Amino acid sequence: DAKTTQPTSMDCAEGRAANLPCNHSTISGNEYVYWYRQIHSQGPQYIIHGLKNNETNEMASLIITEDRKSSTLILPHATLRDTAVYYCIGAGYNQGGKLIFGQGTELSVKP
Amino acid sequence: NAGVMQNPRHLVRRRGQEARLRCSPMKGHSHVYWYRQLPEEGLKFMVYLQKENIIDESGMPKERFSAEFPKEGPSILRIQQVVRGDSAAYFCASSPTSPSGGVRYGYTFGSGTRLTVV
Repeated sequence: DAKTTQPTSMDCAEGRAANLPCNHSTISGNEYVYWYRQIHSQGPQYIIHGLKNNETNEMASLIITEDRKSSTLILPHATLRDTAVYYCIGAGYNQGGKLIFGQGTELSVKP
Repeated sequence: NAGVMQNPRHLVRRRGQEARLRCSPMKGHSHVYWYRQLPEEGLKFMVYLQKENIIDESGMPKERFSAEFPKEGPSILRIQQVVRGDSAAYFCASSPTSPSGGVRYGYTFGSGTRLTVV
C-alpha cells in the first residue's frame, strides 16, 4: 500500500478555495489516489480519485503531479458543510481494492 | 437506488453478549468491506467478502469476531462475548461485481453501526 502523508489540520475561510495536500512518494504505477471525507463520524464519503491525469467532478478537483509523488485536492468554494476529516489514500488492484485509511487532514471551514 | 444500508444504527450490548451487525450492499454490488473506527481513531480495515466467500480477513481480530456474506441476504459481522473495547463505529462499504469496479469507480460506505458495550 502506498503510504500517504497529510497535514493534521487546516483552516479555510468560507467561500475560498480549500487546497489539501498529500504526499504519496511510494505510490506504485497501478495505484490510484483516492480522496474520501468523513463528516463528524458519519460514513466516509467518496470525493474523487485519479491515476495520472487531473480529475474534476461536481465536488472537487484533483491535481496529481507528473511524478505522481504528491497530489492536491481542491474544494473550489468551501462551505461550512465541508468541515470534515479528509483522507488521501493510495490503493489499487494488488490490495484487492481495500482502502487503508491514515489519520487524514481535519479541515475547518470558518465563517 | 438505495445506498449501502447498515442496521441497526445504534446497538447497546452488555459485556458477554453477542452483537450482530448487518450490511446490505448497493444493488448489483457483490463485494463488501467492513471497517472499524474506535473512538478518536481512524478507520481500520477488518474484512473483505464476496458472496459466500471471505477474501481477506487480515484485519479481523483473531477471536470472537466473524463475518459472512451469504448467497441471499445481508452481510453479517458477528462479535461474540463483547467487551468494552469493542465499542466503536463499524462501517461497511460495497463495490460492484469485481474489485476492479471499486478500484475504478470508488466505494460507497454505509452510515455505520455504533456499538456501545456497557
